[in-house]
Amino acid sequence: DQQVKQNSPSLSVQEGRISILNCDYTNSMFDYFLWYKKYPAEGPTFLISISSIKDKNEDGRFTVFLNKSAKHLSLHIVPSQPGDSAVYFCAASPVPYNTDKLIFGTGTRLQVFP
Amino acid sequence: NAGVMQNPRHLVRRRGQEARLRCSPMKGHSHVYWYRQLPEEGLKFMVYLQKENIIDESGMPKERFSAEFPKEGPSILRIQQVVRGDSAAYFCASSPPLLERDTDTQYFGPGTRLTVL
Repeated sequence: DQQVKQNSPSLSVQEGRISILNCDYTNSMFDYFLWYKKYPAEGPTFLISISSIKDKNEDGRFTVFLNKSAKHLSLHIVPSQPGDSAVYFCAASPVPYNTDKLIFGTGTRLQVFP
Repeated sequence: NAGVMQNPRHLVRRRGQEARLRCSPMKGHSHVYWYRQLPEEGLKFMVYLQKENIIDESGMPKERFSAEFPKEGPSILRIQQVVRGDSAAYFCASSPPLLERDTDTQYFGPGTRLTVL
């Protein structure tokens, strides 16, 4: 039972354009969401997060949008750069105000080409 | 401040052998988490520990798998009598005590890739 879903296994975007990575979840009790970035042979690194009380959070080139009614969130990267090429994981916290147990999606591999 | 360290980075075992994976959390971190990533899948939560205590092991297989985080030394994930299906990347993460957290996130190590022949 996949509670956090990333339905696009891969995405290819030209440098300078916008990358949009999507994530859907099934459990309406999830209240905190995170995006992680992972390079090959490395562990995931935290990118950006959003609480369910917000619908948008922005950090530089990265913006996360949350649509609670649709149980959907997305990560926008603009402008995309070749160094953004990595696997991006969406994660959700099933326990309110506690991120000690994260549920991850299967990841989307982003490739940014020149 | 060194990041989360895991060793070995690669481990090869034959079926029936034991695998021991070690994780040293970041300095000052009191919480350790273990995740498993099977090929083409996301990270799956296995267990969450504080020093000398298992807090949540709801993601651990019922048999052959155990984890500990002793008062001194690294956290150990132990897999007894490994089978081919145990082949995966095992990631450890750590986080500081609750009251010291400025962001709610976990810091991941580079992982141990276990291959069972």
